[in-house]
Amino acid sequence: SAVISQKPSRDICQRGTSLTIQCQVDSQVTMMFWYRQQPGQSLTLIATANQGSEATYESGFVIDKFPISRPNLTFSTLTVSNMSPEDSSIYLCSVGGRALYNEQFFGPGTRLTVL
Amino acid sequence: AQSVTQLDSHVSVSEGTPVLLRCNYSSSYSPSLFWYVQHPNKGLQLLLKYTSAATLVKGINGFEAEFKKSETSFHLTKPSAHMSDAAEYFCVVSENPASKIIFGSGTRLSIRP
Repeated sequence: SAVISQKPSRDICQRGTSLTIQCQVDSQVTMMFWYRQQPGQSLTLIATANQGSEATYESGFVIDKFPISRPNLTFSTLTVSNMSPEDSSIYLCSVGGRALYNEQFFGPGTRLTVL
Repeated sequence: AQSVTQLDSHVSVSEGTPVLLRCNYSSSYSPSLFWYVQHPNKGLQLLLKYTSAATLVKGINGFEAEFKKSETSFHLTKPSAHMSDAAEYFCVVSENPASKIIFGSGTRLSIRP
């Protein structure tokens, strides 16, 4: 398995500001992913964080709004830029790959409220 | 393309009675299928997974699911519900679990005393 931590666990932010969320894994992993869970909704994949190259974004998500870094195999950040109340969600990172028996493990999430 | 449909947004059962949460999938290939549980204000936990081995999969906390290719279903069951089972349950499909996975819309399970 993999142990994943996220910082911050929650935050309340003002409209127009940006927040960077960190995801740390206790082992080197190939695949890291970022998800959004809007209130009362399921999880939607934002992007796949690729080590050493740009992230791969899903339809409806763009790099200018959600820039992602992946400097090494144990760490990634997601920034939510120019926030609006519609960005209020839980943001989760997950890891997966053959070394993890093809399962995905999820971090505890970051609960973001935008006023 | 892959997709997953959870047929019930909310299921309510009495404690001690059986639980059935329904899930249908669509996949171009032999899929991997998962059930995750999310308790209020807690993270996601894997209940069980199917990856082309036995079609009846046993998971944690007494849950199990059966993969039925002819019906494209992967329903989650438990013989006897416990109050602690109250949570949100997600059915998940992947053609390559090392890569992108797709979440269903979720089923909220409520347990009546």
